[in-house]
Amino acid sequence: EAEVAQSPRYKITEKSQAVAFWCDPISGHATLYWYRQILGQGPELLVQFQDESVVDDSQLPKDRFSAERLKGVDSTLKIQPAELGDSAMYLCASTATGGTGTNEAFFGQGTRLTVV
Amino acid sequence: SQQGEEDPQALSIQEGENATMNCSYKTSINNLQWYRQNSGRGLVHLILIRSNEREKHSGRLRVTLDTSKKSSSLLITASRAADTASYFCATDATGGFKTIFGAGTRLFVKA
Repeated sequence: EAEVAQSPRYKITEKSQAVAFWCDPISGHATLYWYRQILGQGPELLVQFQDESVVDDSQLPKDRFSAERLKGVDSTLKIQPAELGDSAMYLCASTATGGTGTNEAFFGQGTRLTVV
Repeated sequence: SQQGEEDPQALSIQEGENATMNCSYKTSINNLQWYRQNSGRGLVHLILIRSNEREKHSGRLRVTLDTSKKSSSLLITASRAADTASYFCATDATGGFKTIFGAGTRLFVKA
């Protein structure tokens, strides 16, 4: 069964260091999301791509976070420099949009980031 | 900001009992979805209900949607210990592609 792949599963980094997460969505899914989930809370949308274009990055802290999806397939989320408050689960999801009227999102297993 | 709010925040029941969770949202939607998340894992899609539907069933799950009240409920019948997880509602607002999640209900089913 097709799934969203994320790596790494776990990452520990020191504050002020750079960190990057990778996501490979389900083949053919045009829409890709990055969410941040703080322990005990719901996922918060950071950035949404439609193909290679950013649709919404209004909640992305652009002074330290960046995201790209250069060929409209896989995506990278980067944090530089990392801060203690960035410790969270980073989830990637993809959807097949347009035509079906359904927007079921398929999620990866996430990357658990700990900043020390 | 989060579109939906789940209620209750936490729920503890005995195996075999039914569990009901509620979700309220703020804006007009195309559809509403429920997801489950086991501790430390990604989210798993459970069921989607469209704005023109009022009730939907999937196995032991029953979802209702009341667009006039901007609310939805998820009923899990005959709960099992394996149903222990966090449950989130998510909405797709009219005119957009966003999927916005609530804060979740943490369900604990005691064996």
